[in-house]
Amino acid sequence: AQSVTQLGSHVSVSEGALVLLRCNYSSSVPPYLFWYVQYPNQGLQLLLKYTTGATLVKGINGFEAEFKKSETSFHLTKPSAHMSDAAEYFCAVSAPTGNQFYFGTGTSLTVIP
Amino acid sequence: NAGVTQTPKFRILKIGQSMTLQCTQDMNHNYMYWYRQDPGMGLKLIYYSVGAGITDKGEVPNGYNVSRSTTEDFPLRLELAAPSQTSVYFCASSWKAGGPDTQYFGPGTRLTVL
Repeated sequence: AQSVTQLGSHVSVSEGALVLLRCNYSSSVPPYLFWYVQYPNQGLQLLLKYTTGATLVKGINGFEAEFKKSETSFHLTKPSAHMSDAAEYFCAVSAPTGNQFYFGTGTSLTVIP
Repeated sequence: NAGVTQTPKFRILKIGQSMTLQCTQDMNHNYMYWYRQDPGMGLKLIYYSVGAGITDKGEVPNGYNVSRSTTEDFPLRLELAAPSQTSVYFCASSWKAGGPDTQYFGPGTRLTVL
């Protein structure tokens, strides 16, 4: 079975500061991991995903995440926050042979000018 | 391509009424999903389908039904609406489940049951 925990339901950062959104997972098999972003009143869009290979994954809009198997983590980072990054962020996990995705409860990012 | 479309965008139902939420995708994806999103709860899977004629329950299927007669369409039926079904509903599709493939989401349907 898979599950995802996102620490911190709300994160506030100043414009230009580092963004760090935390995601820990549990999985009985090597998982595939995803970060999605949701802007107000919209559906979810993929930011980045980890499947196999390089553990540091780069996504859109300057975001990246690192898969750390020993820590069962997949934290999302961006070196310098922009006002347009304000949104809800969801971490998700799936098993390579499964039929379902499991989402975390989300982290709302606020960027302070 | 339109991607994943959902109708209606908003709906208010009275307790006990029924309705169908429509979902259509034009990407020829095999897999389709229905989620509900409640504040602070993330997304919960209601039902999913791995192809036309094949559906299965997710985490929270009670009070809902689905059908998949074509690859493109995956309607969600609410029978006897209850206030607990007030939520935002998202339809999604992917080429295959799990694996590395991305889920593509529709814009959502905001449902209120009064």
